[in-house]
Amino acid sequence: AQSVAQPEDQVNVAEGNPLTVKCTYSVSGNPYLFWYVQYPNRGLQFLLKYITGDNLVKGSYGFEAEFNKSQTSFHLKKPSALVSDSALYFCAVRDIITGTASKLTFGTGTRLQVTL
Amino acid sequence: DTEVTQTPKHLVMGMTNKKSLKCEQHMGHRAMYWYKQKAKKPPELMFVYSYEKLSINESVPSRFSPECPNSSLLNLHLHALQPEDSALYLCASSRGLAGPNEQFFGPGTRLTVL
Repeated sequence: AQSVAQPEDQVNVAEGNPLTVKCTYSVSGNPYLFWYVQYPNRGLQFLLKYITGDNLVKGSYGFEAEFNKSQTSFHLKKPSALVSDSALYFCAVRDIITGTASKLTFGTGTRLQVTL
Repeated sequence: DTEVTQTPKHLVMGMTNKKSLKCEQHMGHRAMYWYKQKAKKPPELMFVYSYEKLSINESVPSRFSPECPNSSLLNLHLHALQPEDSALYLCASSRGLAGPNEQFFGPGTRLTVL
């Protein structure tokens, strides 16, 4: 089975500073990787995904993620954090169940706290 | 329309009640999902429907009964739940099951079982 790990329960960053939320993956074959954000009492919002091609993936709200095959990582980044970015972030990987059925397997989540 | 809607937003039920959660999408997606999420934890997959047929059941207790009446609607029927079933129930949809399709999530139903 495919899996992702988010090593940090919480990341704290000052507004205006760059942020990184870490994710590492363990897959057989080519990974399909995703980032989602969840605001309090809300559903998950899709930010971006990596399928193939460019290692730097650009997504919504100024977020981007860097795919690194040698380090099996897919870290989420933003050049300048906003207080409104404070939320719970999930990394996910597509996991094949049967020949045609797949599901998302989520990491444990990282809480991002951006302060003034 | 790129939205997944869920009703109700909040639900409180006793252990002997029968209730249903509803989910709707109008994006033409052919795969729909039910997840259960406990506080500060990742969503746990419960059921997946593909082309209105149940494709994946993640060994969910029979007190949860999914139904997909048509390609836009997904229901979750609840009966004889336990307090530990209290959670945020999320619905999601995607273009299909095969391929790296992102899932679009609804806002969830906050369920409390007394």
